[in-house]
Amino acid sequence: EPEVTQTPSHQVTQMGQEVILRCVPISNHLYFYWYRQILGQKVEFLVSFYNNEISEKSEIFDDQFSVERPDGSNFTLKIRSTKLEDSAMYFCASSRGSVAPGELFFGEGSRLTVL
Amino acid sequence: RKEVEQDPGPFNVPEGATVAFNCTYSNSASQSFFWYRQDCRKEPKLLMSVYSSGNEDGRFTAQLNRASQYISLLIRDSKLSDSATYLCVVNGADSSYKLIFGSGTRLLVRP
Repeated sequence: EPEVTQTPSHQVTQMGQEVILRCVPISNHLYFYWYRQILGQKVEFLVSFYNNEISEKSEIFDDQFSVERPDGSNFTLKIRSTKLEDSAMYFCASSRGSVAPGELFFGEGSRLTVL
Repeated sequence: RKEVEQDPGPFNVPEGATVAFNCTYSNSASQSFFWYRQDCRKEPKLLMSVYSSGNEDGRFTAQLNRASQYISLLIRDSKLSDSATYLCVVNGADSSYKLIFGSGTRLLVRP
């Protein structure tokens, strides 16, 4: 069964450092997303990406965040200067069509710990 | 008012029990509704979409009441493997790309 894969599974970084989280979405999917979940809290939308551009972003997705699809397979989330409050599980997801009424397939997540 | 509100639980039930979860959402213009399941420290996985007419998938039944902005999930004949957190999810009414998650209801099924 095709799946969304994410690397790394866990990254520990110092505050102020840049972090890149990588994702390989399901190959025939067109829409890509990043969500995050702070420990013990709900899953929160960060950004959606379609046709090589951001289609929507949340208030969380400020200038410190960026996304890129550098080639035909990878989808990356970059945090330029990490803060303590960026510590969370970051989930990449993809879908065949737009969300409604489609299904999002999530990767297993990348846990980011900022010290 | 929270965009998607759920009782956090936990619901602690014996195997074989029937359990119901409820959820309310704040934006009446939301169009798509889902129940996701999340195991501890794992990714969310779609359990079922929720349709206006209600729908059933094996032991799971989902209902939607648009007038009350209320969604429910019924699990019959609970199994130990049903133990997880159940997330009520709606799409952002102003966008078809964004999903809004509730905080989840935790279910513990005991032998």
